Amino acid sequence: AQSVTQLGSHVSVSEGALVLLRCNYSSSVPPYLFWYVQYPNQGLQLLLKYTSAATLVKGINGFEAEFKKSETSFHLTKPSAHMSDAAEYFCAVSVDTGNQFYFGTGTSLTVIP
Amino acid sequence: NAGVTQTPKFRVLKTGQSMTLLCAQDMNHEYMYWYRQDPGMGLRLIHYSVGEGTTAKGEVPDGYNVSRLKKQNFLLGLESAAPSQTSVYFCASSRELASLDEQYFGPGTRLTVT
Repeated sequence: AQSVTQLGSHVSVSEGALVLLRCNYSSSVPPYLFWYVQYPNQGLQLLLKYTSAATLVKGINGFEAEFKKSETSFHLTKPSAHMSDAAEYFCAVSVDTGNQFYFGTGTSLTVIP
Repeated sequence: NAGVTQTPKFRVLKTGQSMTLLCAQDMNHEYMYWYRQDPGMGLRLIHYSVGEGTTAKGEVPDGYNVSRLKKQNFLLGLESAAPSQTSVYFCASSRELASLDEQYFGPGTRLTVT
């Protein structure tokens, strides 16, 4: 069975500092991996996705993530945090061309002025 | 272009009552999904649909029913609400399979069952 683990339910960074949100997956076959962001009182929006093309994926708002098969990881990074990045971030995995997604438990990002 | 809309935004039910949540999308997407979001558990798939007239069970389908009579609408029903169904419910749609394509989410429905 596939699963997603997000280490750290809450992350705080200073404005301008590096953002690193961790995601590890378990899958016996190559996965499809996604990062979604949820702003307060809104639905989720896609940040970026990995579907077996380039291992370094660039998304919206300056975010990027790197697929590392050897580490079964798909960590999300941004070089310089903005106040507007404060939100909940979800990693998700799907391991076949199906419609079942498995979301992680989410990481709440706080940006300190 | 409204995207994905959900009705109602908030609802309080007593145990045993029934209700239907409506999801509508104007993007002509084939695939639609219902998720529930609970603190510390992320989003879990309840039911989904791969086209008009079709539905399938997701990860946590018990206590819910769905219907997709029209391509643009996906209804989620609770026949006899239980406190364990207190949650925020999100509808989503996608053009292609969820594993390959972006899902577009509605704003959510906050349901409380007392």
